[in-house]
Amino acid sequence: DTAVSQTPKYLVTQMGNDKSIKCEQNLGHDTMYWYKQDSKKFLKIMFSYNNKELIINETVPNRFSPKSPDKAHLNLHINSLELGDSAVYFCASSPGQGGNSPLHFGNGTRLTVT
Amino acid sequence: AQKVTQAQTEISVVEKEDVTLDCVYETRDTTYYLFWYKQPPSGELVFLIRRNSFDEQNEISGRYSWNFQKSTSSFNFTITASQVVDSAVYFCALRVNTGGFKTIFGAGTRLFVKA
Repeated sequence: DTAVSQTPKYLVTQMGNDKSIKCEQNLGHDTMYWYKQDSKKFLKIMFSYNNKELIINETVPNRFSPKSPDKAHLNLHINSLELGDSAVYFCASSPGQGGNSPLHFGNGTRLTVT
Repeated sequence: AQKVTQAQTEISVVEKEDVTLDCVYETRDTTYYLFWYKQPPSGELVFLIRRNSFDEQNEISGRYSWNFQKSTSSFNFTITASQVVDSAVYFCALRVNTGGFKTIFGAGTRLFVKA
């Protein structure tokens, strides 16, 4: 059973479109995250939710809107896609916000904006 | 502010060589947590090890070992007798319990192990 699953795995779309990426975890974790990995492999946190509540909102354009309907799901909606949004987006979860609990990552969604 | 520096962008070794990946971190917090993750060519991110700031005991797990030194703010990772399957990007990461419990990643070190 996949612990953290993201769909779709690949997403190719044109500039200006709106798209969503879905994420679900079956680990019973309270905290979920979205990370963006750029072409140079740099990983940067975008958002963090704890029990459906937004905890971290990094300096991300407001075209990106996360939604957590319950603590097992954290979806990412992106409006008016731009070329610079092309990246791999990783969803992750952890038992809680702090401490030494490692992040459990999904397999990533490769977004290509043309 | 918190920061993680992995000065080695790419390392290339021949199979069976030992290789050490360097990680230097910056934080003013006295309690913090350090992690190593591996990203093989298939793209997934896999957790390898964690360390608490108050636990400087070094660890060996099979061919992997970790050297945590608070005095130099370093958390280095050594692979002994490297294998082709070790080829991956390795990330060092830092989490502190302030500022929203962010896990901050270094830029990664790409390791190539040649047969």
